[in-house]
Amino acid sequence: AQTVTQSQPEMSVQEAETVTLSCTYDTSENNYYLFWYKQPPSRQMILVIRQEAYKQQNATENRFSVNFQKAAKSFSLKISDSQLGDTAMYFCAFMKHVFGNEKLTFGTGTRLTIIP
Amino acid sequence: EADIYQTPRYLVIGTGKKITLECSQTMGHDKMYWYQQDPGMELHLIHYSYGVNSTEKGDLSSESTVSRIRTEHFPLTLESARPSHTSQYLCASSVGQGWVGDTEAFFGQGTRLTVV
Repeated sequence: AQTVTQSQPEMSVQEAETVTLSCTYDTSENNYYLFWYKQPPSRQMILVIRQEAYKQQNATENRFSVNFQKAAKSFSLKISDSQLGDTAMYFCAFMKHVFGNEKLTFGTGTRLTIIP
Repeated sequence: EADIYQTPRYLVIGTGKKITLECSQTMGHDKMYWYQQDPGMELHLIHYSYGVNSTEKGDLSSESTVSRIRTEHFPLTLESARPSHTSQYLCASSVGQGWVGDTEAFFGQGTRLTVV
């Protein structure tokens, strides 16, 4: 079974600064996907960024980027130029690359607060 | 926002009552999921469906049941609510055809259930 660990229950950072959220996972699979999801207060969970394990290049989406270290089974999220709207719970998630088995395994989440 | 809807948003109900949490999506997705989110915000998969007339239990044992008679509709039922069922319930859907572009899960806003 896969496990996803987020060791930072809470983080806070000043607006416009850069923050990195940590995630490690454990799996015996070789092909899989990794995700970061964002759950703002009282709003829907949305996808922030995803990474295919077979790609060495780190995914980037505007101010969001990941540091994917497959050998170390590490998948951190970097938020640059943080904004007040980035305040949310952030969940790291894992999915096996198996058709018909698209179930997400989530970490316990990191509550990120952006301070004005 | 994603076209996936949950009703009600909030529900307070007495012990022993039967309840149904509704989830509908208009994206034509085959894959649908129910997650239970505990007070610490951790997410646990309790049910999933890969299409009409397909339902499976998730990783966390739950006394709830689900049905999938129509593609767009995936209701969750508790025959006899108990205080231990108090939680937030999140519904999600995905295309899930095994291609990276189809791996994104879209979430509803959740139903916060309180059983007194």
